Amino acid sequence: SQQGEEDPQALSIQEGENATMNCSYKTSINNLQWYRQNSGRGLVHLILIRSNEREKHSGRLRVTLDTSKKSSSLLITASRAADTASYFCATDASSGTGRRALTFGSGTRLQVQP
Amino acid sequence: GAGVSQSPRYKVAKRGQDVALRCDPISGHVSLFWYQQALGQGPEFLTYFQNEAQLDKSGLPSDRFFAERPEGSVSTLKIQRTQQEDSAVYLCASSSSQYRGMFGNQPQHFGDGTRLSIL
Repeated sequence: SQQGEEDPQALSIQEGENATMNCSYKTSINNLQWYRQNSGRGLVHLILIRSNEREKHSGRLRVTLDTSKKSSSLLITASRAADTASYFCATDASSGTGRRALTFGSGTRLQVQP
Repeated sequence: GAGVSQSPRYKVAKRGQDVALRCDPISGHVSLFWYQQALGQGPEFLTYFQNEAQLDKSGLPSDRFFAERPEGSVSTLKIQRTQQEDSAVYLCASSSSQYRGMFGNQPQHFGDGTRLSIL
């Protein structure tokens, strides 16, 4: 079952605008990761934020994490048509002897109009 | 190769047939994961290997699903007596690190998947 719920499910914006996607999860985590998936392709890692971090930047990406609310957001600034893709949050709740896999949300489908 | 390679990219099989899906992880990656992705959904975990050891197979939906990684590199996911509900994209991912304690694991590198269609 999927731990994360992403909001919105779909988002359509104009090139140059900012896009914000939100992710909520249910259990304690070690880190939270965001991935991007172009149609028919695999997932590409974008950014990882650790449980003791609140905000992280990478180029045009900004990620926030609120562990008290069990939520994260991904902001893409100055969007481009090439940013059109599905974006997934994934939580890492691994332990030394237990589960190691990521738990993915259901994704946000972003469409950037040129 | 530079990335994770999966084959075949597309597989069509009749209900009841057995299929085998192959994954070539990034060279030297210790961890290997299989995920199943239904249309319009996020990937769901199937099984995890650390080198040749299958440490977690809790996500395999039935005993018709079997995975192996005998030499700690290439992995094969086998589905026996396929059913229509097995139709999905099967993704393989690899990662370089072992468990790092409270900060979890390194990001995973995904292949482009095998799209399986059961008729």
